[in-house]
Amino acid sequence: DGGITQSPKYLFRKEGQNVTLSCEQNLNHDAMYWYRQDPGQGLRLIYYSQIVNDFQKGDIAEGYSVSREKKESFPLTVTSAQKNPTAFYLCASSIVQDSEQYFGPGTRLTVT
Amino acid sequence: EDQVTQSPEALRLQEGESSSLNCSYTVSGLRGLFWYRQDPGKGPEFLFTLYSAGEEKEKERLKATLTKKESFLHITAPKPEDSATYLCAVRPGGATNKLIFGTGTLLAVQP
Repeated sequence: DGGITQSPKYLFRKEGQNVTLSCEQNLNHDAMYWYRQDPGQGLRLIYYSQIVNDFQKGDIAEGYSVSREKKESFPLTVTSAQKNPTAFYLCASSIVQDSEQYFGPGTRLTVT
Repeated sequence: EDQVTQSPEALRLQEGESSSLNCSYTVSGLRGLFWYRQDPGKGPEFLFTLYSAGEEKEKERLKATLTKKESFLHITAPKPEDSATYLCAVRPGGATNKLIFGTGTLLAVQP
């Protein structure tokens, strides 16, 4: 079954701790993305990667970091520098840069 | 500034009562308009891509249309299972692969 998996579904952390969200896809897509969704706001792009070992900052990259060592994996680290980390995080992928994006099930992160 | 506005914010329909959702946009050089469906607590599910004015796409009870300034998602004879938030996104012209999302329309279809 092809698709995008994100883990965990729910994540709880204390303020000041870094946390890494997993995103894996078996669709053989070249491009992968991380978005953040907050109530009453549209999805906002954090980082994206068009190919392995390359990634670019989106609109709200501050306090986040990513890596793309394998085509199928694009983990996101939420660092202690992110001021408001509590949100619903969505990973997506697309075949190539201009095609439609397919989303994973999301990870809800709560930081207290 | 590139912008996407969806209306209404929320819509309540009776089962079988057809209606339309609106997505108006201001972008420099449209490279695609996308519709997604999102159920509570889940990731968005891709529905349609439209690229040029006059283009239409259909899937079951849904039909998406595109003009130079807006897109409509028409829902014909909706059922309760069509209840969800519908998101619109646009890809502006330029070198980046950025999508700009609207805030969505929350649709509730009552039996």
